[in-house]
Amino acid sequence: NAGVIQTPRHKVTGKGQEATLWCEPISGHSAVFWYRQTIVQGLEFLTYFRNQAPIDDSGMPKERFSAQMPNQSHSTLKIQSTQPQDSAVYLCASSSDWGGSYEQYFGPGTRLTVL
Amino acid sequence: GDQVEQSPSALSLHEGTDSALRCNFTTTMRSVQWFRQNSRGSLISLFYLASGTKENGRLKSAFDSKERRYSTLHIRDAQLEDSGTYFCAAGRGFASALTFGSGTKVIVLP
Repeated sequence: NAGVIQTPRHKVTGKGQEATLWCEPISGHSAVFWYRQTIVQGLEFLTYFRNQAPIDDSGMPKERFSAQMPNQSHSTLKIQSTQPQDSAVYLCASSSDWGGSYEQYFGPGTRLTVL
Repeated sequence: GDQVEQSPSALSLHEGTDSALRCNFTTTMRSVQWFRQNSRGSLISLFYLASGTKENGRLKSAFDSKERRYSTLHIRDAQLEDSGTYFCAAGRGFASALTFGSGTKVIVLP
């Protein structure tokens, strides 16, 4: 079991450019979550999917951010027109939802730096 | 919004000693998960609890089953490899998004 896979591990973009982050959940897991971590704000929830359907995007900035899960094996987080304040470590997690445990397992994160 | 208040923010303890971390929730939570973040930034799950207590080696966690307003993590016989930043995170539902505390930086001294 490779765990949650996130690519790229590091991404540097210029202000105004687009960034797409990828997440491959643990095989068989039905839920995928996106969080981000900054020094100032700590760990914040962004959005999540269950069985590929969007369930809760209450943490997503209303503009420029979007997330999709086109199939059960990957999810993407897209940031349009990146701004310096978008710099953060973006974390993806997945959970299986069976056996009575909804434990979330995190990937290594993608460190996004917007210059 | 929901708040998770974690204490202490930092903790130094000597090898072989015991300590406890605590998280208080401003509202009733259904589940709690404890993590340790290592020096590379990886979040390692330690415990998931919907009620009661769980123990794994020298670590033990408890979740207040009555009011569901706090959780604790106990470190027994601390070792150098226990150093790291510990986070608690709570969910309003069993399978919902997590709200994280601000973390406890633990340093274990020889």
